[in-house]
Amino acid sequence: SQTIHQWPATLVQPVGSPLSLECTVEGTSNPNLYWYRQAAGRGLQLLFYSVGIGQISSEVPQNLSASRPQDRQFILSSKKLLLSDSGFYLCAWNGVAGYNEQFFGPGTRLTVL
Amino acid sequence: SQQGEEDPQALSIQEGENATMNCSYKTSINNLQWYRQNSGRGLVHLILIRSNEREKHSGRLRVTLDTSKKSSSLLITASRAADTASYFCAPMAGATNKLIFGTGTLLAVQP
Repeated sequence: SQTIHQWPATLVQPVGSPLSLECTVEGTSNPNLYWYRQAAGRGLQLLFYSVGIGQISSEVPQNLSASRPQDRQFILSSKKLLLSDSGFYLCAWNGVAGYNEQFFGPGTRLTVL
Repeated sequence: SQQGEEDPQALSIQEGENATMNCSYKTSINNLQWYRQNSGRGLVHLILIRSNEREKHSGRLRVTLDTSKKSSSLLITASRAADTASYFCAPMAGATNKLIFGTGTLLAVQP
């Protein structure tokens, strides 16, 4: 069966520090991968998606970047965090053609102070 | 925008009652998915309904889809206190299968 992992679960970082959040998927190959952010009391906003290694599409201009160095690994990064980067970050994967359910990881709660 | 918008924003019912949440969206979709989120947790996938389907059941869940009205509903029957959570609809569209989320319905089931 497929599983999706995210770490860390919780992170507190000072303004101006770098960020690296990691997401990995097991039990599938060539998934579409997604990064979402959820602000407090709000819905999810799609930040990035990837259809393959090295292929990243950005949905909104922002202080963050994403990379996909391996088929089942998706990384969210920042060189210098802003207060507005605080939120709940969720990674998701979408299976092969014909199976369009999108499944989410447990999320990382980021607080920038 | 293809945003899914849920209605009502908040709903409080007694255990055993049915809960109905509605969703509207703005453009053509491949499918529509419903999710549950307990406070501070990740999203749990509940059900997917394809654009050529009108109704789908899963346990105590019943989802309808009306593509002519660009709307969907989620019915939870015989609610339980454990159903207390936020519920999101997410239309999926485009070749890259992007989901567009609204702000959700916060359901509180009183024991």
